Amino acid sequence: GQQVMQIPQYQHVQEGEDFTTYCNSSTTLSNIQWYKQRPGGHPVFLIQLVKSGEVKKQKRLTFQFGEAKKNSSLHITATQTTDVGTYFCFSGGYNKLIFGAGTRLAVHP
Amino acid sequence: KAGVTQTPRYLIKTRGQQVTLSCSPISGHRSVSWYQQTPGQGLQFLFEYFSETQRNKGNFPGRFSGRQFSNSRSEMNVSTLELGDSALYLCASSFYSGDTGELFFGEGSRLTVL
Repeated sequence: GQQVMQIPQYQHVQEGEDFTTYCNSSTTLSNIQWYKQRPGGHPVFLIQLVKSGEVKKQKRLTFQFGEAKKNSSLHITATQTTDVGTYFCFSGGYNKLIFGAGTRLAVHP
Repeated sequence: KAGVTQTPRYLIKTRGQQVTLSCSPISGHRSVSWYQQTPGQGLQFLFEYFSETQRNKGNFPGRFSGRQFSNSRSEMNVSTLELGDSALYLCASSFYSGDTGELFFGEGSRLTVL
């Protein structure tokens, strides 16, 4: 069945360093969403990508959707301690709503 | 406007019991989806309801069931609880169906099975 693989599982960075998490699917995705979950909190929507090759930016966050619509990435420039949390990719379609396993980001001041 | 409300927030059950969790979506949202979150398995999709109809279902045993009422409120039930059912159960509402719209999550119901 459809799977969305997300890497890395964990990432520890020094404040000010960059961070990237990747999601890859075995099948073409209709769209992909990204969510952030702070420790002890619930997932919060960040963005949705729909078009092939789409790139969207939110301040220090850059989201990309691959040309083949099978992969996506979230890049954070110059991380801050407020970026701490777990980042999930999410895709719906084919009658399943699937989250990637998540990448837990730790930022050391 | 009010967010997604889940009740109860915390509960403790013993093996073999059953449990019912409730989710009230954002007003106007017709889609409610449920997820099980555990440290080892991440967020696993349980099922989605849209306008009182189960639209999608994940790979969980039949002990997990749900329903949606005409006011879009949803309940999920787990029968014959097992230790492995201990988890945070999250529901999310969406204006559109879950595969196209932004999901708004509740705070979750944390279930502990002893």
